Amino acid sequence: EDQVTQSPEALRLQEGESSSLNCSYTVSGLRGLFWYRQDPGKGPEFLFTLYSAGEEKEKERLKATLTKKESFLHITAPKPEDSATYLCAVRLGAAGNKLTFGGGTRVLVKP
Amino acid sequence: EAGVTQFPSHSVIEKGQTVTLRCDPISGHDNLYWYRRVMGKEIKFLLHFVKESKQDESGMPNNRFLAERTGGTYSTLKVQPAELEDSGVYFCASSQGTAGSEQYFGPGTRLTVT
Repeated sequence: EDQVTQSPEALRLQEGESSSLNCSYTVSGLRGLFWYRQDPGKGPEFLFTLYSAGEEKEKERLKATLTKKESFLHITAPKPEDSATYLCAVRLGAAGNKLTFGGGTRVLVKP
Repeated sequence: EAGVTQFPSHSVIEKGQTVTLRCDPISGHDNLYWYRRVMGKEIKFLLHFVKESKQDESGMPNNRFLAERTGGTYSTLKVQPAELEDSGVYFCASSQGTAGSEQYFGPGTRLTVT
Protein backbone atom coordinates (compact mmCIF):
# COMPACT_ATOMS: atom_id res chain seq x y z
CA GLU A 1 0.00 0.00 0.00
CA ASP A 2 1.23 3.47 -0.85
CA GLN A 3 2.34 5.32 2.25
CA VAL A 4 3.52 8.76 3.24
CA THR A 5 5.28 9.07 6.60
CA GLN A 6 6.28 12.30 8.25
CA SER A 7 8.77 12.69 11.06
CA PRO A 8 9.03 13.84 13.69
CA GLU A 9 5.39 14.04 14.78
CA ALA A 10 6.17 17.14 16.83
CA LEU A 11 9.07 19.56 16.99
CA ARG A 12 9.79 22.24 19.57
CA LEU A 13 12.31 24.86 18.52
CA GLN A 14 13.74 27.99 20.00
CA GLU A 15 13.45 31.05 17.83
CA GLY A 16 16.43 31.04 15.45
CA GLU A 17 17.09 27.31 15.86
CA SER A 18 17.11 25.82 12.36
CA SER A 19 15.78 22.32 11.76
CA SER A 20 14.42 19.92 9.13
CA LEU A 21 11.21 17.97 8.72
CA ASN A 22 11.14 14.70 6.83
CA CYS A 23 8.55 13.21 4.50
CA SER A 24 9.28 9.71 3.22
CA TYR A 25 7.11 7.89 0.72
CA THR A 26 6.82 4.31 -0.44
CA VAL A 27 4.99 4.91 -3.66
CA SER A 28 5.63 4.32 -7.31
CA GLY A 29 4.92 6.70 -10.13
CA LEU A 30 5.26 9.91 -8.14
CA ARG A 31 3.68 12.76 -10.03
CA GLY A 32 4.29 15.52 -7.55
CA LEU A 33 5.06 16.03 -3.87
CA PHE A 34 3.31 18.89 -2.10
CA TRP A 35 4.02 20.72 1.13
CA TYR A 36 1.26 22.51 2.99
CA ARG A 37 1.12 24.52 6.18
CA GLN A 38 -1.93 24.25 8.42
CA ASP A 39 -2.80 26.58 11.28
CA PRO A 40 -5.30 25.52 13.98
CA GLY A 41 -8.89 25.74 12.78
CA LYS A 42 -7.88 26.48 9.19
CA GLY A 43 -7.43 24.52 6.00
CA PRO A 44 -4.07 23.49 4.55
CA GLU A 45 -2.24 26.38 2.88
CA PHE A 46 -0.19 25.50 -0.21
CA LEU A 47 3.57 26.03 0.08
CA PHE A 48 5.50 24.09 -2.58
CA THR A 49 5.28 21.48 -5.31
CA LEU A 50 8.29 19.31 -6.19
CA TYR A 51 8.33 17.00 -9.18
CA SER A 52 11.73 15.39 -9.60
CA ALA A 53 14.71 14.28 -7.52
CA GLY A 54 17.17 17.09 -6.97
CA GLU A 55 14.56 19.81 -7.21
CA GLU A 56 14.52 22.54 -4.57
CA LYS A 57 12.04 25.35 -3.80
CA GLU A 58 12.38 28.23 -1.35
CA LYS A 59 10.01 30.67 0.29
CA GLU A 60 11.20 33.00 3.02
CA ARG A 61 12.65 30.79 5.78
CA LEU A 62 11.43 27.55 4.20
CA LYS A 63 13.25 25.37 1.71
CA ALA A 64 11.93 22.10 0.33
CA THR A 65 14.07 19.43 -1.32
CA LEU A 66 13.24 16.13 -2.98
CA THR A 67 15.10 12.85 -3.42
CA LYS A 68 13.85 9.59 -4.90
CA LYS A 69 12.37 8.40 -1.61
CA GLU A 70 11.93 11.43 0.61
CA SER A 71 11.53 15.16 0.89
CA PHE A 72 12.85 17.56 3.48
CA LEU A 73 11.41 20.87 4.61
CA HIS A 74 14.17 22.96 6.08
CA ILE A 75 13.22 25.82 8.39
CA THR A 76 16.04 28.34 8.71
CA ALA A 77 16.16 30.66 11.73
CA PRO A 78 12.46 30.10 12.52
CA LYS A 79 10.25 32.70 14.14
CA PRO A 80 7.23 32.11 16.38
CA GLU A 81 4.94 32.79 13.42
CA ASP A 82 6.35 29.67 11.74
CA SER A 83 4.54 27.59 14.36
CA ALA A 84 2.04 25.38 12.53
CA THR A 85 1.48 21.83 11.34
CA TYR A 86 3.36 21.07 8.15
CA LEU A 87 1.77 18.51 5.87
CA CYS A 88 3.30 16.52 3.07
CA ALA A 89 1.19 14.96 0.31
CA VAL A 90 1.94 13.00 -2.86
CA ARG A 91 0.14 12.59 -6.14
CA LEU A 92 0.60 9.32 -7.96
CA GLY A 93 0.63 8.68 -11.66
CA ALA A 94 -2.00 5.97 -11.54
CA ALA A 95 -4.26 7.65 -9.01
CA GLY A 96 -5.59 10.66 -10.87
CA ASN A 97 -5.33 13.97 -9.10
CA LYS A 98 -6.02 12.83 -5.55
CA LEU A 99 -3.48 13.61 -2.86
CA THR A 100 -2.25 11.09 -0.28
CA PHE A 101 -1.29 12.89 2.91
CA GLY A 102 1.13 12.12 5.68
CA GLY A 103 0.19 12.66 9.30
CA GLY A 104 1.95 16.01 9.57
CA THR A 105 4.62 17.52 11.81
CA ARG A 106 3.51 19.97 14.51
CA VAL A 107 6.11 22.69 14.86
CA LEU A 108 6.21 25.03 17.84
CA VAL A 109 8.72 27.86 17.78
CA LYS A 110 9.23 29.50 21.16
CA PRO A 111 10.51 33.08 21.44
CA GLU B 1 -9.31 36.65 -5.56
CA ALA B 2 -11.63 34.85 -3.15
CA GLY B 3 -10.44 31.51 -1.87
CA VAL B 4 -12.34 28.28 -1.38
CA THR B 5 -15.25 28.77 0.99
CA GLN B 6 -17.16 26.19 2.98
CA PHE B 7 -20.40 26.29 4.88
CA PRO B 8 -21.13 25.71 7.68
CA SER B 9 -17.92 26.03 9.65
CA HIS B 10 -19.32 23.76 12.36
CA SER B 11 -22.22 21.34 12.53
CA VAL B 12 -23.41 19.26 15.45
CA ILE B 13 -26.06 16.67 14.69
CA GLU B 14 -27.45 13.54 16.25
CA LYS B 15 -26.84 10.07 14.95
CA GLY B 16 -29.35 9.26 12.25
CA GLN B 17 -29.88 12.85 11.13
CA THR B 18 -28.91 14.31 7.78
CA VAL B 19 -26.32 17.01 7.17
CA THR B 20 -25.38 18.82 3.98
CA LEU B 21 -22.02 20.52 3.59
CA ARG B 22 -21.39 23.10 0.90
CA CYS B 23 -18.23 24.12 -0.92
CA ASP B 24 -17.68 27.05 -3.27
CA PRO B 25 -14.42 26.63 -5.20
CA ILE B 26 -12.18 29.37 -6.49
CA SER B 27 -13.81 30.93 -9.53
CA GLY B 28 -12.69 29.28 -12.75
CA HIS B 29 -11.40 26.11 -11.11
CA ASP B 30 -12.83 23.08 -12.89
CA ASN B 31 -11.47 20.60 -10.38
CA LEU B 32 -13.12 20.23 -7.00
CA TYR B 33 -12.12 17.74 -4.31
CA TRP B 34 -13.51 16.59 -0.99
CA TYR B 35 -11.24 15.30 1.77
CA ARG B 36 -11.80 14.56 5.43
CA ARG B 37 -9.78 14.15 8.57
CA VAL B 38 -11.17 12.01 11.32
CA MET B 39 -9.77 12.27 14.84
CA GLY B 40 -6.12 11.34 15.07
CA LYS B 41 -5.82 10.33 11.43
CA GLU B 42 -4.34 11.90 8.34
CA ILE B 43 -6.37 13.79 5.77
CA LYS B 44 -8.01 11.31 3.37
CA PHE B 45 -9.35 11.80 -0.13
CA LEU B 46 -13.08 11.31 -0.72
CA LEU B 47 -13.78 12.30 -4.31
CA HIS B 48 -12.89 14.51 -7.26
CA PHE B 49 -15.15 16.41 -9.65
CA VAL B 50 -14.15 17.78 -13.01
CA LYS B 51 -16.78 20.39 -13.70
CA GLU B 52 -20.05 18.60 -12.92
CA SER B 53 -18.76 15.06 -13.47
CA LYS B 54 -17.40 12.72 -10.83
CA GLN B 55 -13.88 11.84 -11.96
CA ASP B 56 -12.89 9.70 -9.00
CA GLU B 57 -15.05 8.68 -6.05
CA SER B 58 -12.80 5.89 -4.82
CA GLY B 59 -12.51 7.43 -1.35
CA MET B 60 -16.20 7.67 -0.54
CA PRO B 61 -16.67 5.45 2.52
CA ASN B 62 -20.17 4.13 1.79
CA ASN B 63 -23.50 4.94 0.21
CA ARG B 64 -24.53 7.20 3.07
CA PHE B 65 -22.39 9.87 1.44
CA LEU B 66 -23.68 11.68 -1.65
CA ALA B 67 -21.76 14.40 -3.44
CA GLU B 68 -23.10 16.65 -6.16
CA ARG B 69 -21.77 19.56 -8.13
CA THR B 70 -24.56 21.52 -9.73
CA GLY B 71 -23.64 23.12 -13.06
CA GLY B 72 -19.97 22.67 -12.35
CA THR B 73 -19.94 25.42 -9.74
CA TYR B 74 -20.49 24.79 -6.04
CA SER B 75 -20.63 21.32 -4.55
CA THR B 76 -22.58 19.71 -1.74
CA LEU B 77 -21.75 16.66 0.33
CA LYS B 78 -24.70 15.06 2.05
CA VAL B 79 -24.40 12.50 4.82
CA GLN B 80 -27.61 10.54 5.39
CA PRO B 81 -28.04 9.04 7.92
CA ALA B 82 -25.05 10.26 9.91
CA GLU B 83 -23.15 7.84 12.13
CA LEU B 84 -20.78 8.54 15.01
CA GLU B 85 -17.73 7.61 12.92
CA ASP B 86 -18.56 10.34 10.42
CA SER B 87 -17.35 12.97 12.88
CA GLY B 88 -14.34 14.88 11.66
CA VAL B 89 -13.29 17.83 9.59
CA TYR B 90 -14.38 17.88 5.95
CA PHE B 91 -12.19 19.88 3.61
CA CYS B 92 -12.91 21.01 0.10
CA ALA B 93 -10.18 21.93 -2.36
CA SER B 94 -10.08 23.20 -5.92
CA SER B 95 -7.52 23.42 -8.69
CA GLN B 96 -7.17 24.70 -12.23
CA GLY B 97 -6.37 22.72 -15.31
CA THR B 98 -5.34 19.11 -15.26
CA ALA B 99 -2.26 17.26 -14.05
CA GLY B 100 0.23 19.10 -11.92
CA SER B 101 -2.02 21.81 -10.56
CA GLU B 102 -1.77 22.56 -6.89
CA GLN B 103 -4.93 22.21 -4.84
CA TYR B 104 -6.17 25.10 -2.72
CA PHE B 105 -8.08 24.16 0.39
CA GLY B 106 -11.01 25.72 2.16
CA PRO B 107 -11.17 26.20 5.93
CA GLY B 108 -13.13 23.00 6.46
CA THR B 109 -16.39 22.05 8.13
CA ARG B 110 -16.11 20.45 11.53
CA LEU B 111 -18.84 17.81 11.82
CA THR B 112 -19.72 16.32 15.18
CA VAL B 113 -22.20 13.45 15.33
CA THR B 114 -23.51 12.73 18.83
